[in-house]
Amino acid sequence: EAQVTQNPRYLITVTGKKLTVTCSQNMNHEYMSWYRQDPGLGLRQIYYSMNVEVTDKGDVPEGYKVSRKEKRNFPLILESPSPNQTSLYFCATTTGLKEQFFGPGTRLTVL
Amino acid sequence: SQQGEEDPQALSIQEGENATMNCSYKTSINNLQWYRQNSGRGLVHLILIRSNEREKHSGRLRVTLDTSKKSSSLLITASRAADTASYFCATDPQGAQKLVFGQGTRLTINP
Repeated sequence: EAQVTQNPRYLITVTGKKLTVTCSQNMNHEYMSWYRQDPGLGLRQIYYSMNVEVTDKGDVPEGYKVSRKEKRNFPLILESPSPNQTSLYFCATTTGLKEQFFGPGTRLTVL
Repeated sequence: SQQGEEDPQALSIQEGENATMNCSYKTSINNLQWYRQNSGRGLVHLILIRSNEREKHSGRLRVTLDTSKKSSSLLITASRAADTASYFCATDPQGAQKLVFGQGTRLTINP
């Protein structure tokens, strides 16, 4: 079954404690991206990757890092989380026409 | 800035009625897509319409695209309680390497 998995699904942490949200896809897609979703602001792209070892900033990259060492995985790293990074995060992969397949989401709370 | 702007922001109708949502965008696009999101879950792709297409159907969904007006509409016919969700349009702007999402229309179907 084609799917995008994210872990963890829920996370409560404290300011400054480094965390990683993992994303994995089994569709052999080259393009992967991370979004955050906030009330009233819609879905905003954080980072995207067009292929292994190729990553680029989206609309709101500050405070985030990503890596793409292999095709199926695209982890999102928060080196020093802050409360304004409390949000719902989605990983997505895409076909050539950019129909996106979304993961189930990670709800992050930074205290 | 958001490329897609949905209208209305919220829509509440009775089961069995038709629901129409609109999306406007600003720049030339390769395609436009509609997604559905149930509360707190990942977005699910519904339909894609290319810039050279004017209308597309999928089951109870009908999408139109008017590139001269830079607008699209999503019609859901014979609505059901299970159609209750948020609906997002996303554009694939020419020359960009990403989808740009609107803020969504929150649809409520009352039984």
